[in-house]
Amino acid sequence: AQSVTQPDIHITVSEGASLELRCNYSYGATPYLFWYVQSPGQGLQLLLKYFSGDTLVQGIKGFEAEFKRSQSSFNLRKPSVHWSDAAEYFCAVGVRLSDKLIFGTGTRLQVFP
Amino acid sequence: DAGVTQSPTHLIKTRGQHVTLRCSPISGHKSVSWYQQVLGQGPQFIFQYYEKEERGRGNFPDRFSARQFPNYSSELNVNALLLGDSALYLCASSLEGGSLRGRPHEQYFGPGTRLTVT
Repeated sequence: AQSVTQPDIHITVSEGASLELRCNYSYGATPYLFWYVQSPGQGLQLLLKYFSGDTLVQGIKGFEAEFKRSQSSFNLRKPSVHWSDAAEYFCAVGVRLSDKLIFGTGTRLQVFP
Repeated sequence: DAGVTQSPTHLIKTRGQHVTLRCSPISGHKSVSWYQQVLGQGPQFIFQYYEKEERGRGNFPDRFSARQFPNYSSELNVNALLLGDSALYLCASSLEGGSLRGRPHEQYFGPGTRLTVT
């Protein structure tokens, strides 16, 4: 069955520190992978996506993610976190031949000044 | 341009009642999907509609239904509400429905409707 696991429920970092949010997926074929961010009172905003090609993808707001097939992972990274990055982050896999997304349970990021 | 809009923003209902949630997609988008996000969980797919036809359905009971109108807006209806239906209901729109050469279309999410069932 298709699934997404985000092992970290809550992560706290200091402003300016680097960040890595983990995501593992289970999918039978080549996955379509996404990272979304959700701020309080806001909908989900797409940060980046991976469909094929270069396994390191760049997104908005300085985020990047690396697809590692051997580890079934798609971890999100940012070299220097800003206080405005505090939010909930969701990893998702897209189901082939549809627009359905399967989301992980999310990681809440807290940023200290 | 306006993004995806949803109404109402918040709603409180009693067990057993029914509720209708509304979604207006981004102008030019023909597909609408609905997701349920229970507190502390990721969104779960409920329905997708494209050109007024159901294109996908998640693992939800028949109490959940939806429809899409000629202007591509959509309604999600939930009958016989249960306490467990309390959640944030998200609507997402995309330019087309189905898939583009097997790949999903990019979806744009609205702010959601917070439903509380007491």
